[in-house]
Amino acid sequence: DVVLTQTPVAQPVTLGDQASISCRSSQSLVHSNGNTYLEWYLQKPGQSPQLLIYKVSNRFSGVPDRFIGSGSGSDFTLKISRVEPEDLGVYYCFQATHENTFGAGTKLELK
Amino acid sequence: QVQLKESGPGLVQPSQTLSLTCTVSGFSLMDYSVHWVRQPPGKGLEWMGRMKYDGDTYYNSALKSRLSISRDTSKSQVFLKMNSLQTEDTAIYYCTRSYYGYTYWGQGVMVTVSS
Repeated sequence: DVVLTQTPVAQPVTLGDQASISCRSSQSLVHSNGNTYLEWYLQKPGQSPQLLIYKVSNRFSGVPDRFIGSGSGSDFTLKISRVEPEDLGVYYCFQATHENTFGAGTKLELK
Repeated sequence: QVQLKESGPGLVQPSQTLSLTCTVSGFSLMDYSVHWVRQPPGKGLEWMGRMKYDGDTYYNSALKSRLSISRDTSKSQVFLKMNSLQTEDTAIYYCTRSYYGYTYWGQGVMVTVSS
């Protein structure tokens, strides 16, 4: 099974700061078709998760451009520039290249 | 507009079978895949399995022996059945539509396994 390791577990931030979350996979996430199916989700308290990024770096419709996904192979990063109050919550990376798996989550919280 | 809604019993006894329904609207089950994801209280997300648009199914290998997903396209419904429930199966169960990511989610249904 593919294991996604997210760091840090919690990221205290000040509003307006940049935040960065790492997601490392136990295997390469490059599919045999050449695509890399690595996604990022945000779950706010009491809500269903919401898609932010698909295929490593593509923002889903309506996602602000302060969310930037990057990486390749087995090493990926989500950067949030200028954190706003509505960005607080738990971020999950997710891979669909192999049997689908989620990372354990990173809680973005106020300092 | 696209909507998904989970329904099912809130309480299931240990060793019994869980049956959930995901009723969708705004799209056809023959055009999009629907997946099930669950989340134990205070914990992370776990992918359970999927009903592909062509009727093919695929399951989390850790749950495969207990899990079955089916559908009724005429009713726009996807069904989840999981047997031999234990307390660790207590969770919010979500259905979600897949197309370049899980773009739409249901609100989730809380299932508690307890006697």
